[in-house]
Amino acid sequence: SDLTQPPSVSVSPGQTVSITCSGDKLGDNYVSWFQQKSGQSPVLLIYQDSLRASGVPERFSGSSSGNTATLTVSGTQAMDDADYYCQAWDRSAGIFGRGTKLTVL
Amino acid sequence: EVQLVESGGELVQPGRSLRLTCAASGFTFGNYAMHWVRQPPGKGLEWVASIDWKGGDTAFADSVKGRISISRDNGKNSLFLAFSRLTSEDSALYYCTKDISPEAGGGTIEHWGQGTLVTVSS
Repeated sequence: SDLTQPPSVSVSPGQTVSITCSGDKLGDNYVSWFQQKSGQSPVLLIYQDSLRASGVPERFSGSSSGNTATLTVSGTQAMDDADYYCQAWDRSAGIFGRGTKLTVL
Repeated sequence: EVQLVESGGELVQPGRSLRLTCAASGFTFGNYAMHWVRQPPGKGLEWVASIDWKGGDTAFADSVKGRISISRDNGKNSLFLAFSRLTSEDSALYYCTKDISPEAGGGTIEHWGQGTLVTVSS
């Protein structure tokens, strides 16, 4: 099964932006969110739909309803300019969304 | 501090075999499931394989099933990924990742290494 994310979103500094991730398995499975900055390894932001990983700023939050999970960045900063991936498990198989490029204008 | 250091990536001809290694430190390696995730240049992330804490339960992506094996040596804090019959579609940066759970599926990928680059080309 697939996880669908918008290819790109943009936001002005200080504003709030949301990135969605939809898939027919999400209602039964937790979602994680990863941030990947250019030339770097991905970093875990959110796990089990809404739990922030250690050291992740409070401006990052996650939620899930039905078959859609959402990552919200509040008070976006220039350093948040990156690719964001959602990920879930379908039984024992890992699935990643295709990623969303967040541009901070 | 958790450290995952991958090695073994190289330029290899199509049809050949390759073995990747991940050296883990900074945590009790034998307590956690581990995964390999790959990323072709300029493209997104793709889960490749998982192994549970004791090595008895494994899972593979359909795209590589039948051509790869995943194994671990808990005594040497090492994770392995062995490929056969490589194709250009396997060209990617391969990341070693650590789960927060001992089980192979349904956990959370927490830590990532820096990756090792595999290029399949004649």
